[in-house]
Order: sequence, then C-alpha cells, then structure tokens
Amino acid sequence: DVKVTQSSRYLVKRTGEKVFLECVQDMDHENMFWYRQDPGLGLRLIYFSYDVKMKEKGDIPEGYSVSREKKERFSLILESASTNQTSMYLCASSLWTQGVAEAFFGQGTRLTVV
Amino acid sequence: GNSVTQMEGPVTLSEEAFLTINCTYTATGYPSLFWYVQYPGEGLQLLLKATKADDKGSNKGFEATYRKETTSFHLEKGSVQVSDSAVYFCALSDPLFTGGGNKLTFGTGTQLKVEL
Repeated sequence: DVKVTQSSRYLVKRTGEKVFLECVQDMDHENMFWYRQDPGLGLRLIYFSYDVKMKEKGDIPEGYSVSREKKERFSLILESASTNQTSMYLCASSLWTQGVAEAFFGQGTRLTVV
Repeated sequence: GNSVTQMEGPVTLSEEAFLTINCTYTATGYPSLFWYVQYPGEGLQLLLKATKADDKGSNKGFEATYRKETTSFHLEKGSVQVSDSAVYFCALSDPLFTGGGNKLTFGTGTQLKVEL
C-alpha cells in the first residue's frame, strides 16, 4: 500500500516562527502536493511539485514556500507563521500518467499559530 | 478556471436511508472526476472515480455517474450505515492541465451523519 507520512499530527507554533511541515511518500510518485483544509472552504492547493527540485504555485501560495530535494520528500515552509495560517495541512502524492492519477493523502497536520 | 460545487451539509440520515450528495463541476477539456472520503481524524482516501462521460464509479455500495450533459457527478448509496459517517469531497482532475501533476480541484466537502 502507498503510504504518505506527515511528520506531525499536531503542532503549536508562535507568531513569527519559521515552521517546517514534512511529508514523505514511499511509492516513488513523481507528483506531490500540499493543501490546506478549512471549514467551509474545502481543500485549497498551496504548492505542488512534479519532479525533484521542481515546484509550482497553487491557488494560495502567499506566505508559504516548499522544498523538494529528494523524490520522496516534500516540505512545506511557513516563513513567518501568522494566526491566519492556523489550519489543517494535508500532503498528497500521485503517479503521473496521461489519464487518471489517484492521489494518496497523509493523515494531516493540524497547525495552531498562537 | 476549474471549480467544483457540492451541496452544503451537514446531511443527517437514519441508518438504511438513501443517500444523495450533489456535485456539479466547471472545467475546460474533459476532466476525470472523483469522490474522496475523510473519516474523523484521518486524511482523505479515494472512494470512487470516473474518467469519461457515462462512466459509473462504484465502491463500498457507493455509486456516481459522470454526466457530461449536466456537468454532474452525484454520489449515491442505497442504504447508509453509521460507519459511513464522514466528510465527502467531490474533485476533478483536468488532464489538459499544463505543467504536469494532475492537479485536483476539490469541492468544499459535505459532512454526512448517520444515526441509528
């Protein structure tokens, strides 16, 4: 089974801190994604990557950056955490094909910025 | 741009009732369509999918049919159980999306509560 593992289930950080959220997948997938999930807004794409060292902005990249130095690992970075970044963060990976690509999700990291 | 619209929840049903969760979409090209489910405290997992018009996806008693003429992909189940209580997300993936990645666009999610 594909496994996507996020480093923390719960995090509490202070405003202004630099925060790292780590995600690792074990199925050699090319594509990896970071979403945030908020009530009433569903999942919104922050950044994605379709290859090592490649990254593309999603719909809400402001205040975030990402790093993909190795194929299996995709990190989300909050450069200076703010309270409006309190949210559930979900990492996903998928296999690139021309047809359907099923995305596999991690269990999520609930981040609280105080 | 692409978008997915789902009915708002929560939807509360008695066990063995019939379930419909509506989903409509707007997309360029010919997207693939998905339903994901999120159980409490967990990440999302794929429930079912359909890749072209008139395809029916099915899994665990849930079904959804890709209707291109109405741009819809409604989720149905004939008899729900308490264990089906979860949040359900409709999503689309546009294979014409440039830059790779099969980016998924999600609806806002519909919470289902099934009571005894």
